Amino acid sequence: AQSVTQLDSQVPVFEEAPVELRCNYSSSVSVYLFWYVQYPNQGLQLLLKYLSGSTLVKGINGFEAEFNKSQTSFHLRKPSVHISDTAEYFCAVTTKGGSYIPTFGRGTSLIVHP
Amino acid sequence: EPEVTQTPSHQVTQMGQEVILRCVPISNHLYFYWYRQILGQKVEFLVSFYNNEISEKSEIFDDQFSVERPDGSNFTLKIRSTKLEDSAMYFCASSESSGGSYNEQFFGPGTRLTVL
Repeated sequence: AQSVTQLDSQVPVFEEAPVELRCNYSSSVSVYLFWYVQYPNQGLQLLLKYLSGSTLVKGINGFEAEFNKSQTSFHLRKPSVHISDTAEYFCAVTTKGGSYIPTFGRGTSLIVHP
Repeated sequence: EPEVTQTPSHQVTQMGQEVILRCVPISNHLYFYWYRQILGQKVEFLVSFYNNEISEKSEIFDDQFSVERPDGSNFTLKIRSTKLEDSAMYFCASSESSGGSYNEQFFGPGTRLTVL
């Protein structure tokens, strides 16, 4: 079985500062990795995904994440955040060849201050 | 852009009562899912549904839960006799297909269920 750990429950940051949201996973087989974002009163929206190929994945709204197999990490980064990036961010993992039901982390609340 | 919708956005019920949470998946999608998130905890998979049958369910999805696609558009989650611990946000999702190759799941905004 796979699992996901999001190390920070809350990350406060000032506008235009860089941010990194951390995610580590555990799995005995090859994985697909995802970041979802949930804006207030909205559903989960796929931010980016790693399926194969380049380990640096670019997503929407200027976010990117890097798959590091040796460290079993998939940290999310943005070089300069905006107030509108304030949201809950969920890392998720699913195993290749299965039913593709994602296993989610607990979420990280990104709070961008002016 | 097509989206998954859920009603109601917030449901308050008394312990022991039955509740039905409703979802309208994206129209050409064939696979449907329910997830829940207890406050402060992880989003957890409950059940997946395809071709009018449950295709996969978690250990959380016990006999008090049931799902149904009563018509061509709605997908419902019923909790027969609610418990305090059923209080959570419930998310519906749909995808074009499942298995064989990855297909993105599209999530609804959720229904917050409060059991008193």
